[in-house]
Amino acid sequence: DAGVTQSPTHLIKTRGQQVTLRCSPKSGHDTVSWYQQALGQGPQFIFQYYEEEERQRGNFPDRFSGHQFPNYSSELNVNALLLGDSALYLCASSSWGFGEGETQYFGPGTRLLVL
Amino acid sequence: AQSVTQLDSQVPVFEEAPVELRCNYSSSVSVYLFWYVQYPNQGLQLLLKYLSGSTLVKGINGFEAEFNKSQTSFHLRKPSVHISDTAEYFCAVSGVDSSYKLIFGSGTRLLVRP
Repeated sequence: DAGVTQSPTHLIKTRGQQVTLRCSPKSGHDTVSWYQQALGQGPQFIFQYYEEEERQRGNFPDRFSGHQFPNYSSELNVNALLLGDSALYLCASSSWGFGEGETQYFGPGTRLLVL
Repeated sequence: AQSVTQLDSQVPVFEEAPVELRCNYSSSVSVYLFWYVQYPNQGLQLLLKYLSGSTLVKGINGFEAEFNKSQTSFHLRKPSVHISDTAEYFCAVSGVDSSYKLIFGSGTRLLVRP
């Protein structure tokens, strides 16, 4: 049973460019959340998708957008990249109904470097 | 809104010694509490979680944590650590009304020395 997978593993971009990161949830999961982890810090919640809609959003600008596909996989898009966007981007999957204690499973992350 | 404080950025300890990693939180609503571990170049793995009920929670790899509502704490403990426990440990909280949104602390690096 494959866990959460993310692609690519590493990415280098320059300021002003756009980037797309991809995530496939764990089998049986229908909810995907994205987190940004800057170097030396804890992950910060970006947003969460269920039924192809953004359900919750953290304190991130509109440059960060996402999408969820019918097969529950998800993309994170970042436009007009800034140096401060350099971070490890983590995807987490779970089943809707987390209020009853469902665990979020994290992928290995995509490390983005903006030059 | 919720917040998490992990006061210790790094905790060095000798192998087979006990360890406690501290976590304090603040929230205006009831919360769920979690501890995750992150090994180098890997994602996060859940160690344990507190949802309700018994305040002493046991997790994987011999770790346990105790929820203390009056002190708003959720400290992680292990009676005897191994070299393989060297990793970054994150405490996280979510409000019961926004349980998909995990708020993480800044992490504590556990360094186990032989």
